[in-house]
Amino acid sequence: DTAVSQTPKYLVTQMGNDKSIKCEQNLGHDTMYWYKQDSKKFLKIMFSYNNKELIINETVPNRFSPKSPDKAHLNLHINSLELGDSAVYFCASSPHGSGETQYFGPGTRLLVL
Amino acid sequence: DQQVKQNSPSLSVQEGRISILNCDYTNSMFDYFLWYKKYPAEGPTFLISISSIKDKNEDGRFTVFLNKSAKHLSLHIVPSQPGDSAVYFCAATRGGSTLGRLYFGRGTQLTVWP
Repeated sequence: DTAVSQTPKYLVTQMGNDKSIKCEQNLGHDTMYWYKQDSKKFLKIMFSYNNKELIINETVPNRFSPKSPDKAHLNLHINSLELGDSAVYFCASSPHGSGETQYFGPGTRLLVL
Repeated sequence: DQQVKQNSPSLSVQEGRISILNCDYTNSMFDYFLWYKKYPAEGPTFLISISSIKDKNEDGRFTVFLNKSAKHLSLHIVPSQPGDSAVYFCAATRGGSTLGRLYFGRGTQLTVWP
């Protein structure tokens, strides 16, 4: 029944590893997003996809690569993890994209050691 | 370059009283504003929104006021309840080519005590 779900909820890993976070929404929305909440609690957009097409790509290192196999899923793959990648990552979705409410997943807490 | 600011990191209010959370923004192109509520270890939950063509929107105990000339919005919670204790994020966006980019404030921790 969860509208926007993310797995895993917690992720602890070593520097240099590659990891993926998965996101799924069952709301029938066209647009999905990834946000990062850093240690200072700022929520900042990283990417958005509309119908599997990349729309927003903020200034994010290219070690981060989003993949949208279909419009209900937006996964985030991170290569060569660094200490500074430790944060909470939130997935969100909205019906169409522009100027409307976004609905968030529960977050994935990533800790890089 | 923070375009949405919440200058009060915390607010403490007695149960039954009014809570007023404030938010300022710098970008006059923003045309849609939202408030989200966040409990620990959960994602932000949408609370209430307002379009720039309005100056007030009400939903039960929650009212959002928008003052475009001052680039200021506020969230009023009346009466406040202990279950309202959470972090409240203000967010703003604009239509058109931005395609949904939300700009968030840093959040205000609201504590409602009995």
